Amino acid sequence: GQQLNQSPQSMFIQEGEDVSMNCTSSSIFNTWLWYKQDPGEGPVLLIALYKAGELTSNGRLTAQFGITRKDSFLNISASIPSDVGIYFCAGSQGGKLIFGQGTELSVKP
Amino acid sequence: GAVVSQHPSRVICKSGTSVKIECRSLDFQATTMFWYRQFPKQSLMLMATSNEGSKATYEQGVEKDKFLINHASLTLSTLTVTSAHPEDSSFYICSAVQGPDTEAFFGQGTRLTVV
Repeated sequence: GQQLNQSPQSMFIQEGEDVSMNCTSSSIFNTWLWYKQDPGEGPVLLIALYKAGELTSNGRLTAQFGITRKDSFLNISASIPSDVGIYFCAGSQGGKLIFGQGTELSVKP
Repeated sequence: GAVVSQHPSRVICKSGTSVKIECRSLDFQATTMFWYRQFPKQSLMLMATSNEGSKATYEQGVEKDKFLINHASLTLSTLTVTSAHPEDSSFYICSAVQGPDTEAFFGQGTRLTVV
């Protein structure tokens, strides 16, 4: 099935460092979403982006929707141990979501 | 945010048997529910879209006779894995939306192990 290209696949960082991950697609999406998934749980929405060029923050998280509607990035500032998990980007097509491959984040205290 | 409850959270079944997974929207009416499958260390892949009162729409490569979906009410959709085999072992997750292009709320997921 269709997927978004998400990178990096994994990151090992020190507590306090900033993190950046991104997604690209060959298709245009009207809505881009960023989720976090903890082991054995369903994904939880972090940030939703609705307008091309939109820059949105949620606490230490910042995400931007690319001008072309084909890409997005997520930044996490001053990482903490509870940021550990898998982060997914997703493009929305009428409510159904196409997910990126995920970025697994590990944070060393 | 709205709550979507998925049950059971984990199930182990014998090869050849059928398993039913429920997805309920607890505090809103879901016009559409989606079913995803996630293999270990992989992304979520959409299996099917379920609209209340109509037949589900399956993604390419998903066997509709094997994965039976019923969306009988605005708060409940069920996925039945029929004649399960070990390769069907996976994490199954549902999501529900109130309307087109509204936020999707996810269930907690069901870990299916077929032995």
